[in-house]
Amino acid sequence: DGGITQSPKYLFRKEGQNVTLSCEQNLNHDAMYWYRQDPGQGLRLIYYSQIVNDFQKGDIAEGYSVSREKKESFPLTVTSAQKNPTAFYLCATKTGQGAGNQPQHFGDGTRLSIL
Amino acid sequence: EDQVTQSPEALRLQEGESSSLNCSYTVSGLRGLFWYRQDPGKGPEFLFTLYSAGEEKEKERLKATLTKKESFLHITAPKPEDSATYLCAVRQETSGSRLTFGEGTQLTVNP
Repeated sequence: DGGITQSPKYLFRKEGQNVTLSCEQNLNHDAMYWYRQDPGQGLRLIYYSQIVNDFQKGDIAEGYSVSREKKESFPLTVTSAQKNPTAFYLCATKTGQGAGNQPQHFGDGTRLSIL
Repeated sequence: EDQVTQSPEALRLQEGESSSLNCSYTVSGLRGLFWYRQDPGKGPEFLFTLYSAGEEKEKERLKATLTKKESFLHITAPKPEDSATYLCAVRQETSGSRLTFGEGTQLTVNP
């Protein structure tokens, strides 16, 4: 079954703890993205990666880190430096093939809360 | 600074009552406007891409249109299952594959 898998669906973080959110895709898409969604706000870009072993900061990268060691995987770590981590986190992917304006496709998100 | 503004923030309709959602944008060099539907607790689901002013796309009860300053998502004879948050996003010529999202319109269709 093709798609984008985010896990876990719910995650709780203690003070001073780093947590890692998983995003895996079997769509063979080149680009992957991490967004944060807060109530009443649009999606805000945290990090993105166009190819393996390369990634760029988005608009709100502080307190977050990523890696892209495999095409299929783009994990996001929420570090203890992120003081307000409670949000809904969305991973998206996009093919690099065909016409340049292909849409991004999204997973079903991870909801992170502070204990 | 690129801006995407959606209105209204929330819209409540009766089943069968047609209406439109608005997405206004100010970007330099639009390279695509995207509409998504998001159900509670789920990721956004892609609906349409519009590239140039005058373009229209349709899918079931939804029709998206584009001008040089805004896009409309027209909903004809909506059903309760159309209830969701509708997001628009724009890609501009200097942003690569990055998208700028609006805050969404929460649509509720009552039976």
